[in-house]
Amino acid sequence: DIQMTQSPSSLSASVGDRVTITCRASQDIRNYLNWYHQKPGKAPKFLIYGASTLHSGAPSKFSGSGSGTEFTLTISELQPEDVGTYYCQQSYSTLLTFGGGTTVEIK
Amino acid sequence: QVQLQESGPGLVKPSETLTLTCSVSNGSISSDFWGWIRQPPGKGLEWIGHIFHSGSKSYNPSLKSRVTISLDMSKNQISLNLSSLTTADTAVYYCVRRSIVAAHNWFDPWGQGVLVTVSP
Repeated sequence: DIQMTQSPSSLSASVGDRVTITCRASQDIRNYLNWYHQKPGKAPKFLIYGASTLHSGAPSKFSGSGSGTEFTLTISELQPEDVGTYYCQQSYSTLLTFGGGTTVEIK
Repeated sequence: QVQLQESGPGLVKPSETLTLTCSVSNGSISSDFWGWIRQPPGKGLEWIGHIFHSGSKSYNPSLKSRVTISLDMSKNQISLNLSSLTTADTAVYYCVRRSIVAAHNWFDPWGQGVLVTVSP
């Protein structure tokens, strides 16, 4: 199995801050990396595929980068509606796996 | 846009079999992949498996011996059967579409999810 590890597990930031979340894969997954945002009590929503391609309809404040084993998700200016948990997910192998999540709160 | 709605029992007993149904609206299950993902309370996401409209299936090896995913084309529905339940199967179960473009694939959209509690 490909293990996905996210850091930090949680963070608290102020409105307007730039926020960065890291996701590491246990082996090379090239750029087969997706990001999702789950608001409290809701289903996850798809944000980014291919490590850096923004899904249509996802806000442009989200951006992704990385390849191989290390990836980042950046929120350019944190807003109250961005709270919740962010998950990375690898689509490289037939056994699809998610990271443990990073919970973002407003300070 | 495509919408997914899960339905099924909220409470099941250990050793029983869970059956969930997902109704698809504004789209047809005769294309794309369709599947299930679950999330235990307060925990992360676990891919259960998916099925292609042709009937080809792929399951998480950790659940493979207990899982069956199927399509009902006449009703435009996806079903999940999970047998030999234990309390560890307590989770919110999400129905998802798995989209594939240029070798990349992702889960979108997701249903709202249904909480299933396994308890005596």
